[in-house]
Amino acid sequence: DAKTTQPPSMDCAEGRAANLPCNHSTISGNEYVYWYRQIHSQGPQYIIHGLKNNETNEMASLIITEDRKSSTLILPHATLRDTAVYYCIAVTSGTYKYIFGTGTRLKVLA
Amino acid sequence: EPEVTQTPSHQVTQMGQEVILRCVPISNHLYFYWYRQILGQKVEFLVSFYNNEISEKSEIFDDQFSVERPDGSNFTLKIRSTKLEDSAMYFCASSDRGRTAEAFFGQGTRLTVV
Repeated sequence: DAKTTQPPSMDCAEGRAANLPCNHSTISGNEYVYWYRQIHSQGPQYIIHGLKNNETNEMASLIITEDRKSSTLILPHATLRDTAVYYCIAVTSGTYKYIFGTGTRLKVLA
Repeated sequence: EPEVTQTPSHQVTQMGQEVILRCVPISNHLYFYWYRQILGQKVEFLVSFYNNEISEKSEIFDDQFSVERPDGSNFTLKIRSTKLEDSAMYFCASSDRGRTAEAFFGQGTRLTVV
């Protein structure tokens, strides 16, 4: 599985969009980009995933660059409840072995 | 909304004792997983399970660990002889390889080995 690189921490003002970057320059054609988050020590929570097209759901949007070497998770209107560690994971199609990195600790400020 | 449930939420055990962590995956899911997170460290994959057998396991998942689906609803992780370094949060997850293939995680069992 490709290694992903994320900034260790970010702050975002409440109500503003949070843009969380992820670099996955060695990603292969059959690897999906998954985003999860972990609030305190709770179980990781699925947010969104994509292969090459941009994706949107009720929680977030995922923008994947055309060369697939990086992506951005966008939380359109961050709330205090979005304070968490966000993980970007490259997952090979056909396997669900997630290799979690250290993620980005997002702090939403009032 | 369906969810993965884990019991107990916290388990304290003496070193050398056997412990069984229990999970009830989402009912129509076919793939089951265990992960663990030592305090302050990354979430680590332990094992995946499908069709009543292990499909993949990490090097952490040695002979001290075993998994079982004893009936149609439960999925268990057994640690035969616990060590101090087994103290961690253990997360169960399940997924359905349908259109939405994400894994859903439970809230975890905090295992403390004393």
